[in-house]
Amino acid sequence: AQKVTQAQTEISVVEKEDVTLDCVYETRDTTYYLFWYKQPPSGELVFLIRRNSFDEQNEISGRYSWNFQKSTSSFNFTITASQVVDSAVYFCALRSSLGNEKLTFGTGTRLTIIP
Amino acid sequence: GAVVSQHPSRVICKSGTSVKIECRSLDFQATTMFWYRQFPKQSLMLMATSNEGSKATYEQGVEKDKFLINHASLTLSTLTVTSAHPEDSSFYICSGTQPTLNTEAFFGQGTRLTVV
Repeated sequence: AQKVTQAQTEISVVEKEDVTLDCVYETRDTTYYLFWYKQPPSGELVFLIRRNSFDEQNEISGRYSWNFQKSTSSFNFTITASQVVDSAVYFCALRSSLGNEKLTFGTGTRLTIIP
Repeated sequence: GAVVSQHPSRVICKSGTSVKIECRSLDFQATTMFWYRQFPKQSLMLMATSNEGSKATYEQGVEKDKFLINHASLTLSTLTVTSAHPEDSSFYICSGTQPTLNTEAFFGQGTRLTVV
């Protein structure tokens, strides 16, 4: 069975601070994909990143960066110099690449950026 | 990324009536569509998986006679909540994928259903 754990239920930081959202996963698959999605108050899910289990390189996209550590089954997400527009619920998700396309979501982390 | 359009975004209906939610892939063929349900401040829970032209596969605990899913074409899937009750009030969101392209799933905007 697959499982995604986001231990941080809610986080609040002051604008311009850096913040890291944790994600730990469990899977028996040797090949899988990890995702991060952002859900603003309007409700839609905004895709942020997809990472293949074979690719452990960290990735940076503007103020966003991701740290994939296969040894600890973690895929953490860092926002640098946070902005009020970053306030949202962030979901980490896992998908097997063995033909079954369904996503297993974590419980989400509600991030509030205080101006 | 690809676009999935979901309608309506909000709906209020009376208890006992049925509500249909549409999910369309606008610029790709969604051979597989997923329907999720999200309660306030909770995660997304998969309700069912549908493949075009075949019956949907429901997750354990989801009543297939209450949540009717149709995926008659490669660009349209519908979820009908039959005989809705207040406990069916929730946020429903669909996603579409084309597995042969091995991309991420693309999500609709979601539908907030309120049954009064």
